[in-house]
Amino acid sequence: SQTIHQWPATLVQPVGSPLSLECTVEGTSNPNLYWYRQAAGRGLQLLFYSVGIGQISSEVPQNLSASRPQDRQFILSSKKLLLSDSGFYLCAWDRDYQPQHFGDGTRLSIL
Amino acid sequence: DQQVKQNSPSLSVQEGRISILNCDYTNSMFDYFLWYKKYPAEGPTFLISISSIKDKNEDGRFTVFLNKSAKHLSLHIVPSQPGDSAVYFCAANKGGSEKLVFGKGTKLTVNP
Repeated sequence: SQTIHQWPATLVQPVGSPLSLECTVEGTSNPNLYWYRQAAGRGLQLLFYSVGIGQISSEVPQNLSASRPQDRQFILSSKKLLLSDSGFYLCAWDRDYQPQHFGDGTRLSIL
Repeated sequence: DQQVKQNSPSLSVQEGRISILNCDYTNSMFDYFLWYKKYPAEGPTFLISISSIKDKNEDGRFTVFLNKSAKHLSLHIVPSQPGDSAVYFCAANKGGSEKLVFGKGTKLTVNP
C-alpha cells in the first residue's frame, strides 16, 4: 500500500531563518505531488505541484520554493522566513484519477 | 475568486441526528467533487467523491448529493456520531485529474 511521510511534525523558526520541509511517498511511482498551506481559520491553499522530477508549478508568488529531486521526494524551502509563513503545511500525492492523499502535516511557527 | 465555497464555517448537531454540510461552486467546468475530513494537527483524509454523471453517491453513513443546475453539493451523515466531529472540506476539479480547488471548510461538532 502507498504511504506518505512528512517531517518534521512541528517546527519553530526565527524570522529570517531558512526552511526545509521534506515529503516522501512510498508504494507508488510517478505520483503527482503537492504542497498546501492551511493558515489559521482558512482553507487549504495550494502552493506548488509537480507532475514529475524537476517539474514544479507555483500557484502563488511568495518567498517559498519547491523542488523534486527524486520521483517520490518533494521539498519545500525558503531562504528567509517571514512571520506570514506561519501555518500548517501539508504534502499530498495522487495519480491515475485517484483522490489525493495527504501527509500528517507540519506545524510551522515563526517567532 | 473563490470557486468552491462552504458558507457555513461551523455546524453543531446532536448525536444520532443527520448532519448536512453544504458546498457551492462557480466553475461550470468542474465535474469531479470530493469531501475530505480533517482532525486537528492531522492531514485531511478522503471521505467520498462524486462525478458529474451522477447525482448521488453513498458509502455507509455518508451520502453526497450533487445538483449540477444549482452548482451545489451536500454531504449527509446519518446517524451522526461524536467521532465525526472534524473539519470537512469540499473540493472540486476538472476531469478528475487536475489540481483540486478546496473550500474553506466547515467545522462539524457532534454533541453526545
